Amino acid sequence: DTAVSQTPKYLVTQMGNDKSIKCEQNLGHDTMYWYKQDSKKFLKIMFSYNNKELIINETVPNRFSPKSPDKAHLNLHINSLELGDSAVYFCASSQEALRDRAGYTFGSGTRLTVV
Amino acid sequence: GNSVTQMEGPVTLSEEAFLTINCTYTATGYPSLFWYVQYPGEGLQLLLKATKADDKGSNKGFEATYRKETTSFHLEKGSVQVSDSAVYFCALRKAAGNKLTFGGGTRVLVKP
Repeated sequence: DTAVSQTPKYLVTQMGNDKSIKCEQNLGHDTMYWYKQDSKKFLKIMFSYNNKELIINETVPNRFSPKSPDKAHLNLHINSLELGDSAVYFCASSQEALRDRAGYTFGSGTRLTVV
Repeated sequence: GNSVTQMEGPVTLSEEAFLTINCTYTATGYPSLFWYVQYPGEGLQLLLKATKADDKGSNKGFEATYRKETTSFHLEKGSVQVSDSAVYFCALRKAAGNKLTFGGGTRVLVKP
């Protein structure tokens, strides 16, 4: 059973298109995240949701819109895709209610290529 | 703000060599510290963690000790294998509800 699953694993699309990436976790965690990993492997947080409420929104173009229909799902919709959006996007989750500063559980990533 | 600095790679080693990856951090108070590993084509996996000063995290032969006095959390392994080839990330978080902040990652390549 995959703990944090993302779909699709690969996404190739043209500039200007709109696309979505989906994430689901079956760990019962209360918080989910989106991270972007660039070509140099640098990881930067984009968004975080706790129990469907947005709690972290880093400086991200508003073409990126996260949506959390319930605490087990966090989707990422991207409008008007640009070449610079090409990256690997990772979903992650954690259980913040325990307040023990636990690490995150990551999905296997979605490699987005904009052509 | 909080930040994590790792040695730049790639680090290339022979099998059974000793591995050290340096990690230092900047943060007030006592953050929790983590090492994550990313194998080729995969997501990040938690390798080990330490939540207070002088704690030692260990897993799969890897160790790291939380050194408050030098604000460091260096990763070590005594005898690496080819299967240890991966990118290693040091990370910190200050409190529950705060984000996990990553270093830039260090690529390790172990040759047979």
